[in-house]
Amino acid sequence: GAGVSQTPSNKVTEKGKYVELRCDPISGHTALYWYRQSLGQGPEFLIYFQGTGAADDSGLPNDRFFAVRPEGSVSTLKIQRTERGDSAVYLCASSPGTSRDTQYFGPGTRLTVL
Amino acid sequence: KQEVTQIPAALSVPEGENLVLNCSFTDSAIYNLQWFRQDPGKGLTSLLLIQSSQREQTSGRLNASLDKSSGRSTLYIAASQPGDSATYLCAVKKSGSEKLVFGKGTKLTVNP
Repeated sequence: GAGVSQTPSNKVTEKGKYVELRCDPISGHTALYWYRQSLGQGPEFLIYFQGTGAADDSGLPNDRFFAVRPEGSVSTLKIQRTERGDSAVYLCASSPGTSRDTQYFGPGTRLTVL
Repeated sequence: KQEVTQIPAALSVPEGENLVLNCSFTDSAIYNLQWFRQDPGKGLTSLLLIQSSQREQTSGRLNASLDKSSGRSTLYIAASQPGDSATYLCAVKKSGSEKLVFGKGTKLTVNP
C-alpha cells in the first residue's frame, strides 16, 4: 500500500519568505508526527497530532512554526519569516495510533533558505 | 532530558563480517526503542521495535537487544552485505510521551 508522502521533495526559498510543507499519512493512521533533521544529526521532534488536535507541540522551536491537520488526515507545516537556520530536512511520520506502534516515515522535504 | 548516543559514528567493514552497533540512553524510563535505517536522501525505514518489557527482537540477519536498566541497546548485523551500507539510527520513546528521541546515527559502509 501507499506509504507516507511529502510534498514538495525540495523547496528553495529566500530569507523572510513564508513556506508550507505538506504531509499525506498512511490511510487510516490517526497519529501524525513532524520531525526536523539537520545535516549530520538525528531527527528532532517538532509536533505530534492525534486526530485533528496537536497533542504535543513542545518541539516547535518558536512561534514562526505552526502546523495544522484540519480533517485528521493531511497535515501542513507552516513556517513564517524563514531564516537560514531553518534549512533542514523536514520529516513526517504516521502511525496507527497506539503507543506500541511503529512510526512510518515519509521521504522528507529538503528546505533550503538562501 | 533524554539523550541518545550512538557509537561509533562511522564504521567500515569488509563484506561478510558480523558487526555490532551501539546505542545508549540516559533515562531508563522508556516505553520502547526502535532501530531505523536511513539511505542518503531518503526517509527512515523501521528495522526493529523493542518494547520495554522485551529483551531482544530478530528480523532476518538483524538482532537487536535491549538492557533498559543499563540504558543500552545493540544492533547486531550478521554476514554484512554491501546493500547494508546506510546510516543506522536508534530512537527511544519515553513512557508517557509519543515523541521519539534519536541518536545521531552510525554510518555503515560495507565494502565488497
